[in-house]
Amino acid sequence: EIVMTQSPATLSVSPGERATLSCRASETVGSYLAWYQQKPGQAPRLLIYGASTRATGIPARFSGSGSGTEFTLTISSLQSEDFAVYYCHQYDHWPQAFGQGTKVEIK
Amino acid sequence: QITLKESGPTLVKPTQTLTLTCTFSGFSLTTTGVGVGWIRQPPGKALEWLALIYWDDDKFYSPSLKSRLTVTKGASTKQVVLTMTNMDPVDTATYYCAHTISRDTAKRYFDYWGQGTLVTASS
Repeated sequence: EIVMTQSPATLSVSPGERATLSCRASETVGSYLAWYQQKPGQAPRLLIYGASTRATGIPARFSGSGSGTEFTLTISSLQSEDFAVYYCHQYDHWPQAFGQGTKVEIK
Repeated sequence: QITLKESGPTLVKPTQTLTLTCTFSGFSLTTTGVGVGWIRQPPGKALEWLALIYWDDDKFYSPSLKSRLTVTKGASTKQVVLTMTNMDPVDTATYYCAHTISRDTAKRYFDYWGQGTLVTASS
């Protein structure tokens, strides 16, 4: 089974600053990597799929990059509504797997 | 517009079997390629992938829970059912169902999610 490791566990960022989140896969997953945003009490929301394609309605300040085993989610200028937990998800291999999440909090 | 909603008991006793239903609209499990997955999240913890069923009844399970899980199509083409046997307090979690476009590798992500249902396993 593939293990997804996200870092850091918590990221403290000031509004307007850039946030960079990392996700590492224990084996290559090609570009079959998605990112989700989850706010308290809500279901996850798809942000990025195919490692770098924004889902419908996702602002351009969210961008994804990487392939193989190393992936990055960048939020170029954090808005108040972006403070949340972010999960990566590999869907290349069965079973699929999620990372343990990165919490982006207000500094 | 695609929507999904989970339903089932909020409380189950240890050793009992949990049965959850995902009822959806905006698509049908007769649509070629479509799948519905189940994911859970213990309070304050990360998402855990559980199982997935496709339109043609192809199924995939988490190896660590495979002996306890069954995913099936429901009574209608707009329902999927998840059963988990021998419930334990560690199975306390919010259970989500989610839509996936296709079994094609490039499209296996979850683009629509239900609101989730909190299930507590306790005596």
